[in-house]
Amino acid sequence: KQEVTQIPAALSVPEGENLVLNCSFTDSAIYNLQWFRQDPGKGLTSLLLIQSSQREQTSGRLNASLDKSSGRSTLYIAASQPGDSATYLCAVTGANSKLTFGKGITLSVRP
Amino acid sequence: NAGVTQTPKFQVLKTGQSMTLQCAQDMNHEYMSWYRQDPGMGLRLIHYSVGAGITDQGEVPNGYNVSRSTTEDFPLRLLSAAPSQTSVYFCASSLTGNRLSGANVLTFGAGSRLTVL
Repeated sequence: KQEVTQIPAALSVPEGENLVLNCSFTDSAIYNLQWFRQDPGKGLTSLLLIQSSQREQTSGRLNASLDKSSGRSTLYIAASQPGDSATYLCAVTGANSKLTFGKGITLSVRP
Repeated sequence: NAGVTQTPKFQVLKTGQSMTLQCAQDMNHEYMSWYRQDPGMGLRLIHYSVGAGITDQGEVPNGYNVSRSTTEDFPLRLLSAAPSQTSVYFCASSLTGNRLSGANVLTFGAGSRLTVL
């Protein structure tokens, strides 16, 4: 059974800091990995999707990398801003097309 | 604005009561799904549908019913609510159910927070 782990559960950083959010998964037989953002009281918004054949994807200040063989992905946020405060979830699509979510990392960026 | 609309946003039920959470999308998506999100558990798939008239069970289907009579609507029914069903429920849709396609990203509704006393 695929398990997706995101540690730590919460993170607080000062504004302007570059930061890395980690995601690990137990079964490397995945088709893709996605990073989502969830604001309090809201639904999830897709940020980046990396196919299993790709190593990374970039969107603005966000860069997501994937190392399928080691079961790891990182989401890099450059020059963090208070508006980046949210919960970030990663999810993997496994061989049975099932989407498995991590529990998320709650990020707080202090002004 | 196009997207996924969920109603109600908040609901309090007593044990044994029934209710329906509504979900509607106006993007002509074939695939629709319901998730529940609980603290410390992450999102878990309840039921999903790959098109009108077709539904299937997800990871945690017990206690919930769904139907898909139109492409746009995918209601989630609780027949006899239990405290264990206290959760935040999300409806999500995508063009198709092909999770292998990079273009097939899920669009989520804003959620429905349900409390069962």
